[in-house]
Amino acid sequence: EPEVTQTPSHQVTQMGQEVILRCVPISNHLYFYWYRQILGQKVEFLVSFYNNEISEKSEIFDDQFSVERPDGSNFTLKIRSTKLEDSAMYFCASSVTGLNEKLFFGSGTQLSVL
Amino acid sequence: SQKIEQNSEALNIQEGKTATLTCNYTNYSPAYLQWYRQDPGRGPVFLLLIRENEKEKRKERLKVTFDTTLKQSLFHITASQPADSATYLCALPYAGNNRKLIWGLGTSLAVNP
Repeated sequence: EPEVTQTPSHQVTQMGQEVILRCVPISNHLYFYWYRQILGQKVEFLVSFYNNEISEKSEIFDDQFSVERPDGSNFTLKIRSTKLEDSAMYFCASSVTGLNEKLFFGSGTQLSVL
Repeated sequence: SQKIEQNSEALNIQEGKTATLTCNYTNYSPAYLQWYRQDPGRGPVFLLLIRENEKEKRKERLKVTFDTTLKQSLFHITASQPADSATYLCALPYAGNNRKLIWGLGTSLAVNP
């Protein structure tokens, strides 16, 4: 079965540094998402992306965050200046149409900000 | 604001029994509800989606019910196996926005051999 792949699986960074998390969504999917999960807490929506632009974003997704689809396969999340509270597991997901249907998640990138 | 509550206590059952997990929500009427499985350190894996006009949905040993009056979904695993041990998450769309999901904290299920 096709998979969403994420790299790296673990990322350790110093506070204030920029990080880029990478994802390759399933090839025929049109909607892409980033979610995050702080240890022991709920999965939280960050942003959805369609047709090369953000379609929705949450309050968490402030000016420090950005997303990009630099080519036909990759989908990236950039955190410009990381904070301690950005430490979390970040999940990329994709779906075919984005309406009332299941999401396919990657295995996540565990981000640790020191 | 919308809230989702799942039974926070871990559920321990014997192999072969039926596991029943609960998802309660407040303050709105979602068009659908989804159940996912999450293993430690992994992303959620989709299991079932049930729409507001459906009372029940089945897939192999899994059954989901959706009671829009009680604002509750029940998730059943029949003939449970140790391999079913995982955390099970309930997710619903934000009111008026079907592409953003809000999630419950999940219920941890342990099936003992």
